[in-house]
Amino acid sequence: KQEVTQIPAALSVPEGENLVLNCSFTDSAIYNLQWFRQDPGKGLTSLLLIQSSQREQTSGRLNASLDKSSGRSTLYIAASQPGDSATYLCAVRGAGNMLTFGGGTRLMVKP
Amino acid sequence: NAGVTQTPKFQVLKTGQSMTLQCAQDMNHNSMYWYRQDPGMGLRLIYYSASEGTTDKGEVPNGYNVSRLNKREFSLRLESAAPSQTSVYFCASHSVGLAGAGDTQYFGPGTRLTVL
Repeated sequence: KQEVTQIPAALSVPEGENLVLNCSFTDSAIYNLQWFRQDPGKGLTSLLLIQSSQREQTSGRLNASLDKSSGRSTLYIAASQPGDSATYLCAVRGAGNMLTFGGGTRLMVKP
Repeated sequence: NAGVTQTPKFQVLKTGQSMTLQCAQDMNHNSMYWYRQDPGMGLRLIYYSASEGTTDKGEVPNGYNVSRLNKREFSLRLESAAPSQTSVYFCASHSVGLAGAGDTQYFGPGTRLTVL
């Protein structure tokens, strides 16, 4: 059974810092890995999707990497802003179209 | 284009009551999903529907039933609510992109359910 772990569970940083969120998964037989953002009381918004054959994806200040063989992904956020405060979830897609989610990292960026 | 919509947004039930959570998508997606999210945990799949007319159990199906009414709508029913079903429920639909373009699930805003 696939298990996805995110470390740290919570993170508080001052504005402007670069930061890294970590995600690990136990079964490397995945189709893709996705990073989502969740604002309080809201649904999930997809940030980046990395196919199993890819090593990284970039969108603006966000960069996600994938090392499938070691079961790890990182989400790098450059020059963090208060508006980046949210919970970040990673999810892996295995057999079928089902996603397995990590528990999330709750990020607070202080002005 | 409203995406994925869910009703109600909030609900309080007493133990033993029943209710149906509604979900609809207007993106012509074939696959739809119901998840629950508990504090400190990621989303866990309850049921999914790969296409109209089919439904399958996910990781935590006990205590729930689903109906894929048509391509747009996928409902989740609690027949006899229990306090352990207090959670936030998310509906999602799935889009398969062009070859190599990847695919993603689109999520509704959630239903916050409390069972007393």
